[in-house]
Amino acid sequence: GAVVSQHPSWVICKSGTSVKIECRSLDFQATTMFWYRQFPKQSLMLMATSNEGSKATYEQGVEKDKFLINHASLTLSTLTVTSAHPEDSSFYICSAFGQGKGGMNTEAFFGQGTRLTVV
Amino acid sequence: AQSVTQPDIHITVSEGASLELRCNYSYGATPYLFWYVQSPGQGLQLLLKYFSGDTLVQGIKGFEAEFKRSQSSFNLRKPSVHWSDAAEYFCAEKAAGNKLTFGGGTRVLVKP
Repeated sequence: GAVVSQHPSWVICKSGTSVKIECRSLDFQATTMFWYRQFPKQSLMLMATSNEGSKATYEQGVEKDKFLINHASLTLSTLTVTSAHPEDSSFYICSAFGQGKGGMNTEAFFGQGTRLTVV
Repeated sequence: AQSVTQPDIHITVSEGASLELRCNYSYGATPYLFWYVQSPGQGLQLLLKYFSGDTLVQGIKGFEAEFKRSQSSFNLRKPSVHWSDAAEYFCAEKAAGNKLTFGGGTRVLVKP
């Protein structure tokens, strides 16, 4: 199956700095990728839809200026947490729909996740 | 609005016993449904999926799920759990634009 690689797997940063998280589709092209946020012992919350070559679509309540998304190529989307604060500490996961056994765009493949800790 | 419900927040099961995790969906006449498993600090791994056809779906690691339209359910089962099955399990439904709506998750604890 398709592979989505997310980097870094964990990062610690100082309050006020920015952190970039990368999400790559390794063996398929993804015109759309998704960014999720997961708090401890909770489910995944969709933050935004990343569209190649156009602006991302953010879910209600997600700050566009805080979470900058860039999808410059068919295999790479980045999420930048700007001016990070401790409340931004969380687990961030990206995903992309790719070709599963059922054919094109039938399965969401997830990155390994990034644990962000802001101190 | 689309919603996916997993009624059980956590389940404890003895090793070797059977396991059933419940999932109810609310959207669409022909839902696209998934079950994922997540180990601590890890991403999600697909166990199985249902799009159409046979309502009993076989997945990896000995899991299966049954789609029941009349009950809007897609319950996950395993006949005999192993200690390595301890994890968080998420049911999800695909909506327009390939977005996934996740249930709240069920944490499975396996007793020796």
